[in-house]
Amino acid sequence: QKEVEQNSGPLSVPEGAIASLNCTYSDRGSQSFFWYRQYSGKSPELIMSIYSNGDKEDGRFTAQLNKASQYVSLLIRDSQPSDSATYLCAVNRNNNNDMRFGAGTRLTVKP
Amino acid sequence: IAGITQAPTSQILAAGRRMTLRCTQDMRHNAMYWYRQDLGLGLRLIHYSNTAGTTGKGEVPDGYSVSRANTDDFPLTLASAVPSQTSVYFCASSDSAENEQFFGPGTRLTVL
Repeated sequence: QKEVEQNSGPLSVPEGAIASLNCTYSDRGSQSFFWYRQYSGKSPELIMSIYSNGDKEDGRFTAQLNKASQYVSLLIRDSQPSDSATYLCAVNRNNNNDMRFGAGTRLTVKP
Repeated sequence: IAGITQAPTSQILAAGRRMTLRCTQDMRHNAMYWYRQDLGLGLRLIHYSNTAGTTGKGEVPDGYSVSRANTDDFPLTLASAVPSQTSVYFCASSDSAENEQFFGPGTRLTVL
């Protein structure tokens, strides 16, 4: 079992729809969780960080964390073609330098 | 400069050659990291440094070495490159180990 698992996709949604990206992790001691967006040929850029159970909203993005079920998700409302990218889930185990990344979910938003 | 820079942007290297990838940040972040990104495997940590003068091994350290002489620079050296080290290499930094990391633009390395 991979430490951080994501559905590789591709996930395709129409413009204006809600895109739902999911991530599960194996280490119950994990404390910090991050979502990165990576356009093809570019470096990852941070979208959201979440540290506590529940929802965290930032504009069109909402991160959801459930430590008991060991999953973290990212919702993108009113999806735009410019949201088309690969989304990486990252989990920091024990709040040290042991950051583990999922392989990413490729999202395509169709006009 | 603003953020993190990496050099070179890309490089083709003969197997057995020595290569140093450069990384510089101007955010005065304490922690710095080197990752490699391979298709289907995601980002894997090679080495990290919590502060100047200290380094540590990540998930895939074999064949790589790092140094951290000062806060800003964190070079990654391949002493004798092998084809399996063909990858995209990203440098990252963060103000502390538990916080979000910011990534440089990457170096695409091909070892033939």
